[in-house]
Amino acid sequence: DAGVIQSPRHEVTEMGQEVTLRCKPISGHNSLFWYRQTMMRGLELLIYFNNNVPIDDSGMPEDRFSAKMPNASFSTLKIQPSEPRDSAVYFCASSFALGAGNTEAFFGQGTRLTVV
Amino acid sequence: AQTVTQSQPEMSVQEAETVTLSCTYDTSESNYYLFWYKQPPSRQMILVIRQEAYKQQNATENRFSVNFQKAAKSFSLKISDSQLGDTAMYFCAFLITGNQFYFGTGTSLTVIP
Repeated sequence: DAGVIQSPRHEVTEMGQEVTLRCKPISGHNSLFWYRQTMMRGLELLIYFNNNVPIDDSGMPEDRFSAKMPNASFSTLKIQPSEPRDSAVYFCASSFALGAGNTEAFFGQGTRLTVV
Repeated sequence: AQTVTQSQPEMSVQEAETVTLSCTYDTSESNYYLFWYKQPPSRQMILVIRQEAYKQQNATENRFSVNFQKAAKSFSLKISDSQLGDTAMYFCAFLITGNQFYFGTGTSLTVIP
């Protein structure tokens, strides 16, 4: 398996524009996580899905952020409108359910978002 | 509430020496996994070591080992014979039922030649 695949790797956009980050989890994994990493706040969980259903989105900072998982092999994180303070590295991770043997979170390479 | 605390934002160690990174956590769950992840400058998150909470024996992976104290909710990482390639940010994390991963704020480790 190629691992968790995120696109794009880098995104530079102007304030006010819509940004869509994409993630393809590892095949067979039933949990998917979106994290945001900044120097100030470290690694923050934004939202996670189990079996394509959003379970906890309490980490989503504002209504400008939304996430979807239309099927088991694809998820998006959208920011509309984007603001400079959204600049960060966004990670997607996937895993098997707890108790399913070698459970761990597999991370993608991250998307570095810069909003100017 | 579930929390993970890494009280050492930065640490350094001489090459070939041993260093211990501390981590404490808080959960009311009885079944969970604990992890240490490494994030080198490439920013890729890499699993270093994993511990099942129901196992009393401390996990080891080559030069990496943990000291798991369940009653104290402590999960420290020991790196023996430190190498330059160990320079990275290290995150402590745990997973509970419902598949929720909680991460600490990280410890930046520098190995000095």
